[in-house]
Amino acid sequence: DIQMTQSPSSLSASVGDRVTITCRASQNVRNSLNWYQHKPGKVPSLLIYGASTLQPGVPSRFSGSGSGTDFTLTITSLQPDDFATYYCQQGYDTLPLTFGGGTRVDI
Amino acid sequence: QVQLVQSGAEVKKPGASVKVSCKTSGYTFSSYYIHWVRLAPGRGLEWVGLISTTVGSTRYPESFHGRVSITRDTSTTTVHMEVSSLISEDTAVYYCVRAGAWTNFDYWGQGTLVTVSS
Repeated sequence: DIQMTQSPSSLSASVGDRVTITCRASQNVRNSLNWYQHKPGKVPSLLIYGASTLQPGVPSRFSGSGSGTDFTLTITSLQPDDFATYYCQQGYDTLPLTFGGGTRVDI
Repeated sequence: QVQLVQSGAEVKKPGASVKVSCKTSGYTFSSYYIHWVRLAPGRGLEWVGLISTTVGSTRYPESFHGRVSITRDTSTTTVHMEVSSLISEDTAVYYCVRAGAWTNFDYWGQGTLVTVSS
C-alpha cells in the first residue's frame, strides 16, 4: 500500500498568515494527488486535484504543488473560514486508495 | 445539479450487518465510478471500496477481509454498500463519493452515521 504522511498533524495560525502543509507518499504517485478540506459537522470538500488544479469555486488563496512523492498545500492568507482539517489523498493507479492522516488548522 | 443522497443513520450490534444506500442524480450515472469512504472518531479518512457503475465490478481494501460488498442498481441510479460482521471499530460516518478522472472525489453524499454498540 502507498503510505501518505502529512505534516504537521496540527498547527495554530492567525488570520492573514501563510500556511503550508506537506504530504509525502511512500512511492511515486506522479501528480495523482488530491487535497480535501473538512470542517466539523460538515461534508469534506475537494480543494485541489492533480496536485495543482484548483477545483471550481475554491478561492485562489489555496494552491497545490509537487509531483512524485512530495506535495504541498499552501494557503496564502488564512481566512476565518479556513480553520479546518486538511487531508491529502493519492489517486495513482494502485489500490487501495489512501489518505494522509490529516492536518488540523486551529486559531 | 449533481446530488448524492444517502440513507439514514443506523445503530447495529456487533456481528450484525448494515446496508447503506446512495441515490445519485443530476449526471450520467454510468460515466463515473462511485467510491465509499469513512471517517471514524479520532481517525482520518479511510477508503472502503469502489464500484464501476458501467459493468458493476468492485474493488475493496484487503483490510476489510471480505466484509464489504458494493452493488449498484442502474435503473434507479443507486449504489448500495453493505458491511458485515460489524465490530466497534466500524463505527464511523460513511460517505458515498463520485470519482473524477484523477480519482478525485468531487461530489459527496451527506454521510451516514453507523454506530456499532452492544
